[in-house]
Amino acid sequence: IQMTQSPSSVSASVGDRVTITCRASQDITTWVAWYQQKPGKAPKVLIYAASSLQSGVPSRFSGSGSGTDFTLTISSLQPEDFATYYCQQANTFPPTFGQGTKLEI
Amino acid sequence: QVRLVESGGGVVQPGGSLRLSCAASGFTFNGYAMHWVRQAPGKGLEWVSLISYDGRSKKYADSVKGRFTISRDNSKNTLSLQMNSLRVEDTSVYYCARDLVAGLWQNWFDPWGLGTLVIVSS
Repeated sequence: IQMTQSPSSVSASVGDRVTITCRASQDITTWVAWYQQKPGKAPKVLIYAASSLQSGVPSRFSGSGSGTDFTLTISSLQPEDFATYYCQQANTFPPTFGQGTKLEI
Repeated sequence: QVRLVESGGGVVQPGGSLRLSCAASGFTFNGYAMHWVRQAPGKGLEWVSLISYDGRSKKYADSVKGRFTISRDNSKNTLSLQMNSLRVEDTSVYYCARDLVAGLWQNWFDPWGLGTLVIVSS
């Protein structure tokens, strides 16, 4: 299953609301996760099952969608949110990731 | 706290072999499926392999099937990846990652280790 993210990069400011979208090549119901990766660090999961917030992740992060179209929203950007974000489908083997969205200042 | 520490990376010639290890601590290792995920320099993430909590089920990406073997030792809380017939395109940081949910895998990855770099070059 191919996961296509958009945009590939986005520039924003502290306090902005940002939305990243991910489209699956076939219906994956809600089998989607979102990860954040900072340079030189391992990814960490933010959202799983499309809209479930992982423990310890700030509530400004939210996920939505089902079927083939999904979104990650950051309600009010903080300085530590500038990173690369990946969606990932877990519906079918092999699990596959989107190409990433780089969120820049 | 949950900790995953990979080791075994390095430089190897095409056609060579390498064995990666991942030492787990801070959780009940034999209760979780484990994964390897890799990231080529400057590129995105690619899932490599899964092993079930009891080691009975294993799955591989097509790109590594027949060349890589995943295994685990639940008595030592250790995950391994034996990589044979390595290719230049296998050059990546290799991360071990725990499945988010205990029991049967759901393919959500959390947490991740720090990664170990494998370079395949002549």
